[in-house]
Amino acid sequence: GDSVTQMEGPVTLSEEACLTINCTYTATGYPSLFWYVQYPGEGLQLLLKATKADDKGSNKGFEATYRKETTSFHLEKGSVQVSDSAVYFCALTVSGYSTLTFGKGTMLLVSP
Amino acid sequence: ETGVTQSPTHLIKTRGQQVTLRCSSQSGHNTVSWYQQALGQGPQFIFQYYREEENGRGNFPPRFSGLQFPNYSSELNVNALELDDSALYLCASSLTVLTNTEAFFGQGTRLTVV
Repeated sequence: GDSVTQMEGPVTLSEEACLTINCTYTATGYPSLFWYVQYPGEGLQLLLKATKADDKGSNKGFEATYRKETTSFHLEKGSVQVSDSAVYFCALTVSGYSTLTFGKGTMLLVSP
Repeated sequence: ETGVTQSPTHLIKTRGQQVTLRCSSQSGHNTVSWYQQALGQGPQFIFQYYREEENGRGNFPPRFSGLQFPNYSSELNVNALELDDSALYLCASSLTVLTNTEAFFGQGTRLTVV
């Protein structure tokens, strides 16, 4: 079946450090890939997405590139802020369906 | 434009009881999906409703059932509650059922079964 694997957390960084959260996937067909963010006590918010190979999604300084050859969609940010502290979920949908398959999430903690 | 709202926000039930969770979808959205998020885990798909019909179901037993109303709001019902049903239940609405359509999530209902 379809699945998403994310690196274990928590990831602890100082403000202005570089961030990479690894995400790999297994899927039938050609999935669309997503990163969602969950702030404490809140629901999920879409951070960025990519719908085909080599597409780069970007938002709020975060980026991720859809790599079909390595089945990966790693999340990156050049300089994190304290306000980026949250849980980040990598997810996919498969062709023709809008239901999401999520990874287990990676907690990011950014200290001043 | 109002977002996705869920009620109640928190709920405590006893094992064996039944519970109903409610979701109001975003204006203009005809598709609602429900997810269960256990502590420390990613959300797991329960089922999806499109124009009042079930449009797909995840690996959950029949005691998890749902409903979508003509205004596209939705309910999730769980019978014979078990301790493992304790989780955050998330509702997401989207403009259509098609893939690549952004899903907008509510804040969730935290269910505790004791």
